[in-house]
Amino acid sequence: AQSVAQPEDQVNVAEGNPLTVKCTYSVSGNPYLFWYVQYPNRGLQFLLKYITGDNLVKGSYGFEAEFNKSQTSFHLKKPSALVSDSALYFCAVSSAGDYKLSFGAGTTVTVRA
Amino acid sequence: DSGVTQTPKHLITATGQRVTLRCSPRSGDLSVYWYQQSLDQGLQFLIQYYNGEERAKGNILERFSAQQFPDLHSELNLSSLELGDSALYFCASSTRQGGNTEAFFGQGTRLTVV
Repeated sequence: AQSVAQPEDQVNVAEGNPLTVKCTYSVSGNPYLFWYVQYPNRGLQFLLKYITGDNLVKGSYGFEAEFNKSQTSFHLKKPSALVSDSALYFCAVSSAGDYKLSFGAGTTVTVRA
Repeated sequence: DSGVTQTPKHLITATGQRVTLRCSPRSGDLSVYWYQQSLDQGLQFLIQYYNGEERAKGNILERFSAQQFPDLHSELNLSSLELGDSALYFCASSTRQGGNTEAFFGQGTRLTVV
């Protein structure tokens, strides 16, 4: 079975400061890892994914994530947060032969001006 | 706009009733997923179809069923509704059936059972 843990329910940062949202995963075999963002009353928007290759993945809106196999982590980062980044962030995992995405519980990010 | 269309956006119905949620995937996407989002359970995978065939099943109740039609749109049928079925139901689509492809989500159908 595959699973994702997002250890922080909430992350609060000041605008302009670095933002990190943590994610660890458990999966049999090689993982496929994803980050999505959800704004109020909206669907999930895809940010970035790691399938294979370079451990540092760059995505939309200046976000990036680093795959760490030994720590089974895939933390989302942004060097300089904006107020508009305030939203609910989900990490998700799937694997070869497993067609579904398993999501974490989500982390609410609040960026204060 | 993800290109995935879900109707209706909101639905209020009584316990014991049956409803149908509809999803039109992005143009060209063959794979459709259904998810349920609630405060207590988070995002739960329900079922996946690929080109009309069921590919994966999650924690979908026996009272719920789905199908994907030849034109690739999908419907999720919820019957004998209970208060606990109140949730946001998302449809997502992707180009392939494998797990290495990102899915694009619709804006969801908010179901309220009273």
